[in-house]
Amino acid sequence: DTEVTQTPKHLVMGMTNKKSLKCEQHMGHRAMYWYKQKAKKPPELMFVYSYEKLSINESVPSRFSPECPNSSLLNLHLHALQPEDSALYLCASSPQGEEDGEQFFGPGTRLTVL
Amino acid sequence: GQQLNQSPQSMFIQEGEDVSMNCTSSSIFNTWLWYKQEPGEGPVLLIALYKAGELTSNGRLTAQFGITRKDSFLNISASIPSDVGIYFCAGIFTSGTYKYIFGTGTRLKVLA
Repeated sequence: DTEVTQTPKHLVMGMTNKKSLKCEQHMGHRAMYWYKQKAKKPPELMFVYSYEKLSINESVPSRFSPECPNSSLLNLHLHALQPEDSALYLCASSPQGEEDGEQFFGPGTRLTVL
Repeated sequence: GQQLNQSPQSMFIQEGEDVSMNCTSSSIFNTWLWYKQEPGEGPVLLIALYKAGELTSNGRLTAQFGITRKDSFLNISASIPSDVGIYFCAGIFTSGTYKYIFGTGTRLKVLA
């Protein structure tokens, strides 16, 4: 298995909802990442998990809460989001820790907050 | 904050033409990478560069890590229709504060 999968592909939620995004990889990669990408903009790094520990948090609001249950799974829990949080959320993984720049991306979850 | 500026912002070229794009920063980076993103997909890594001055090829693609460590270049030779997409550079800085920053992107369209 040589890919990163993300579910769901699309998500529409209200500002009072709680939802979760899921990311999975079975390549034995030791670092996993969450990015946010607005339309026609580059991806922006949100969180990095390295060897299942949160190593980077790019000053992301607390309404986004990451979780890494094991080395293959990465979740992003969403609560009380704002309409401006609507974006494509990308997950990526890399073979070593965060210093390994060669990241493999999933197809993303397109999130719409109403 | 830090920013990677890519140019050109967009390009329309004829099939068979060569393409050049670059990425510049006011800061130095330890690693430069080039990705391609197509609609509805995540970015796909094309080339990774680890040393200043390094020149690396991947098929029709060639990329270089600038000597100053503040820039990188990507060339695509003999473009084909499937080269269409957005090309992003990315820079990594790992001494002290970790930074992984994507460039502003170059949108490429190839006319058959």
